[in-house]
Amino acid sequence: GNSVTQMEGPVTLSEEAFLTINCTYTATGYPSLFWYVQYPGEGLQLLLKATKADDKGSNKGFEATYRKETTSFHLEKGSVQVSDSAVYFCALIPGAGSYQLTFGKGTKLSVIP
Amino acid sequence: EPEVTQTPSHQVTQMGQEVILRCVPISNHLYFYWYRQILGQKVEFLVSFYNNEISEKSEIFDDQFSVERPDGSNFTLKIRSTKLEDSAMYFCATMQRGRTGTSGTGELFFGEGSRLTVL
Repeated sequence: GNSVTQMEGPVTLSEEAFLTINCTYTATGYPSLFWYVQYPGEGLQLLLKATKADDKGSNKGFEATYRKETTSFHLEKGSVQVSDSAVYFCALIPGAGSYQLTFGKGTKLSVIP
Repeated sequence: EPEVTQTPSHQVTQMGQEVILRCVPISNHLYFYWYRQILGQKVEFLVSFYNNEISEKSEIFDDQFSVERPDGSNFTLKIRSTKLEDSAMYFCATMQRGRTGTSGTGELFFGEGSRLTVL
């Protein structure tokens, strides 16, 4: 079956530090990959996505590259801000007519001034 | 910006009672989903709904669960007889049709969730 594994949290960083949250996946076929973010007290929001191998998704300074050879989709940001404090979820849609999102467990990020 | 709206934001109920969670999708979206997140655990897929019928469902979505669009706008999740283990945050999500018109865009828009507490 499909699955997503992301690094355990919580992650605590100082402002302007470099962020990496690792994500690897298992899927048959050619999934689309996503990062969703959940700010405190809010619902899940799409942060970025990539629909095929070697695609790079980017938004709000965050980036992730779809690596088929390593089945990875690691999230990175060069300089985090306090406002980036949230829970980040890696997810996939298997494709082939299915839009069932499979999520990782989520990684809580806290950025301190 | 259009958004998915869920009600109630929090419901407390006794075990064995029926619960209905409501979702108002974004107006031009045609694919609807329910997910749930038990405290401290993964966000889990429950069911997807398209063209007035269930298109996919997970093992969690047993006979105690049902979904419908009673008036063509609201999308509801009903739990007939709640159990303690149904306590969770329930998220509605919707997706619009893709450019080809035969599939979705792949981007889900989530509501803020309805927290269900079963006592």
